[in-house]
Amino acid sequence: DADVTQTPRNRITKTGKRIMLECSQTKGHDRMYWYRQDPGLGLRLIYYSFDVKDINKGEISDGYSVSRQAQAKFSLSLESAIPNQTALYFCATSETQALVEETQYFGPGTRLLVL
Amino acid sequence: DAKTTQPNSMESNEEEPVHLPCNHSTISGTDYIHWYRQLPSQGPEYVIHGLTSNVNNRMASLAIAEDRKSSTLILHRATLRDAAVYYCILRAGYGGHSGAGSYQLTFGKGTKLSVIP
Repeated sequence: DADVTQTPRNRITKTGKRIMLECSQTKGHDRMYWYRQDPGLGLRLIYYSFDVKDINKGEISDGYSVSRQAQAKFSLSLESAIPNQTALYFCATSETQALVEETQYFGPGTRLLVL
Repeated sequence: DAKTTQPNSMESNEEEPVHLPCNHSTISGTDYIHWYRQLPSQGPEYVIHGLTSNVNNRMASLAIAEDRKSSTLILHRATLRDAAVYYCILRAGYGGHSGAGSYQLTFGKGTKLSVIP
């Protein structure tokens, strides 16, 4: 079984609809991240969470919100979807260890199309 | 954030070594050099990272220039499964909660590696 899972894998929605993308991990990591990837632009950070009570905005948080329901679950919501939020969304996790450089583990991605 | 420069694309023959270059002339003393790759239709995957010394793991080797202004990811024998976009990323070192800039991975456009059978 995959360590980082994302649901749904594909989603088509209409402008103005509220949608939620979910991420779950079995790695026991404390940190979780949401990124979006647009063609030719690489990945950009939307939100990140260091633990259940610690949520922070990333580079491009406008139009998005998140919820860290448990250590293993981190959800991304689009309150009112717009077409320029059409993108590939990735969840990632990492583990805090003293004096050890972090590496991130990514889910398979959710492809979102907003019409 | 310190930036990296990579070639847009490279080709390699199967079972031959591949050297993927990355320039990072503005790297700071505490920046780690990370390499991730993204296979088609998949999320990015960690490959290797280093600070000053060359590093080896089961996937690849990382050669870091003495002045740290460039590095090279080495795949010793390219396979078809290695065809991917390879990203060279600088990340501020561990420790402290100093905002998203320390913890996000800033992905550029990377190098698209094609492996020819």
